[in-house]
Amino acid sequence: RKEVEQDPGPFNVPEGATVAFNCTYSNSASQSFFWYRQDCRKEPKLLMSVYSSGNEDGRFTAQLNRASQYISLLIRDSKLSDSATYLCVVEGDTDKLIFGTGTRLQVFP
Amino acid sequence: DAGITQSPRHKVTETGTPVTLRCHQTENHRYMYWYRQDPGHGLRLIHYSYGVKDTDKGEVSDGYSVSRSKTEDFLLTLESATSSQTSVYFCAISDRGISTEAFFGQGTRLTVV
Repeated sequence: RKEVEQDPGPFNVPEGATVAFNCTYSNSASQSFFWYRQDCRKEPKLLMSVYSSGNEDGRFTAQLNRASQYISLLIRDSKLSDSATYLCVVEGDTDKLIFGTGTRLQVFP
Repeated sequence: DAGITQSPRHKVTETGTPVTLRCHQTENHRYMYWYRQDPGHGLRLIHYSYGVKDTDKGEVSDGYSVSRSKTEDFLLTLESATSSQTSVYFCAISDRGISTEAFFGQGTRLTVV
């Protein structure tokens, strides 16, 4: 089983739609969780950290479910500029970040 | 943007030749990482460093070595390049390790022919 698993997509949604991504992780001892965004042929950049209490940043909401070992990302009112690959990132062994394979989102007009 | 640069940005090399990729940072961050990214696999950790001369292996370290003689530089060497090492290589830095944001370089596209 992979340490971090994501649905690769693609998710094709119209502008204004709400879309949700899930990610599961295998290491129950993990303490740090992130969502990164990667545009085509670019480097990944941090979108948001994921806290136990859940957190929101504008149209983006991230949540953590420790019991079921998954994290989620909700994007409301999708924009064309949201089209990208979203990477789930989980703390691995000490000092290591483990990346999921990414979920591709395509927002169309 | 974080001060992290990779060189070269693109390289084509022949099978069996040694190749060194350089990652340079100006942020004085303690942790530095080398990842490779391939379709269907996402980002996979090759090696990482938690200080000068302190390095450890990641999940795909075979065929790669690293060195960190200064805080600002982290070198990745392919001792004898193979076609399976054709990939996009990303360097990343972070200040306090896993609990903080990692900043990535722009990547090096390596082709082994």
